[in-house]
Amino acid sequence: GAVVSQHPSWVICKSGTSVKIECRSLDFQATTMFWYRQFPKQSLMLMATSNEGSKATYEQGVEKDKFLINHASLTLSTLTVTSAHPEDSSFYICSAREGDIRPGYTFGSGTRLTVV
Amino acid sequence: RKEVEQDPGPFNVPEGATVAFNCTYSNSASQSFFWYRQDCRKEPKLLMSVYSSGNEDGRFTAQLNRASQYISLLIRDSKLSDSATYLCVVNQGGKLIFGQGTELSVKP
Repeated sequence: GAVVSQHPSWVICKSGTSVKIECRSLDFQATTMFWYRQFPKQSLMLMATSNEGSKATYEQGVEKDKFLINHASLTLSTLTVTSAHPEDSSFYICSAREGDIRPGYTFGSGTRLTVV
Repeated sequence: RKEVEQDPGPFNVPEGATVAFNCTYSNSASQSFFWYRQDCRKEPKLLMSVYSSGNEDGRFTAQLNRASQYISLLIRDSKLSDSATYLCVVNQGGKLIFGQGTELSVKP
């Protein structure tokens, strides 16, 4: 089945630094990638949607200059949390879709970010 | 109003119990519907799709009522391994919108 590899699985960083999270589709071409954030005891909140080769579309309230998304190839999308602060500490999950070829959404295993 | 609302949890039930989860969604243009399961500190995993005609998979039955914008999940003969958070999910224009989840704890 479809697999999305997400790295790192967890990261601790100092306040003010930037962190990059990668998601790779291993056996399919991810035409669309979705990035979610989940705070403890809350649901997954969609942050942005990206299509390969084009700019990401951000949900209302998500700062595009703080959460940089790059989807330069059909198998790789990255989310960079710039100038991270403790309130950015969360569980970040990507989800990929292979357009109309393969219905359904494949999730990465998530990245737990802790900013100290 | 949240786009997808679920019963508040947690649900604590004994093994063998039948558990029902309810969910409502606000956007009548929503296209497809799912139940996902999420274990602690893990990614969500698709449990089953939900159709108006009803969908059954072993001990799990899901139902959709488009007129009332209501989705349900029934778990029969619950097992310890069913303990998890159950997420009601709606597809809106290609985006998956998640409910806040209902935590289920099945006790021996």
